[in-house]
Amino acid sequence: EDKVVQSPLSLVVHEGDTVTLNCSYEVTNFRSLLWYKQEKKAPTFLFMLTSSGIEKKSGRLSSILDKKELFSILNITATQTGDSAVYLCAVEDSSNTGKLIFGQGTTLQVKP
Amino acid sequence: ETGVTQTPRHLVMGMTNKKSLKCEQHLGHNAMYWYKQSAKKPLELMFVYNFKEQTENNSVPSRFSPECPNSSHLFLHLHTLQPEDSALYLCASSLTVSRNTEAFFGQGTRLTVV
Repeated sequence: EDKVVQSPLSLVVHEGDTVTLNCSYEVTNFRSLLWYKQEKKAPTFLFMLTSSGIEKKSGRLSSILDKKELFSILNITATQTGDSAVYLCAVEDSSNTGKLIFGQGTTLQVKP
Repeated sequence: ETGVTQTPRHLVMGMTNKKSLKCEQHLGHNAMYWYKQSAKKPLELMFVYNFKEQTENNSVPSRFSPECPNSSHLFLHLHTLQPEDSALYLCASSLTVSRNTEAFFGQGTRLTVV
């Protein structure tokens, strides 16, 4: 059965800290891995990763994929209170049915 | 504001009630999705519609009945639900199912079954 596992499930840090969120997967027909940020309710898209070893970067956030070891990390440097959210990892199935397999999410709380 | 609107935002219903959740987008997208998000569980895909045709039913119980009358609207009809169906129900849309990675999510409907 396809699955995506995120760790840690929750994390509390202080402003200015750097955090690393982990996502491992076992998916038969892998096409891409995605990261979302969920504040309040609606997840918003952060990154899509398809190739190993190529870092995607957006401001203080960056992410990289390792297709050999089947995991990805999301790094956030110089965290701010506005980074507090649930971070979701999802793997896109290549069967073209629109299926995304999500992890449980990591709840990040950044304290002032 | 993502362009995907869900109503109602909150719903409390009894196990014998019938209710419907509504999702609407005017982004020109042709694929629409229902997801269920329960506490401490991964987001679960329920249904996928592509150009109004259902392309995925992820083993969802028949007490959940989707309807997609056109590419802009998606409904989830609910009847004889159980307390364990209480969850956040998220709708999403994308240009087509092959562009599902560029999905936009609605704010969700928080459903409580009593």
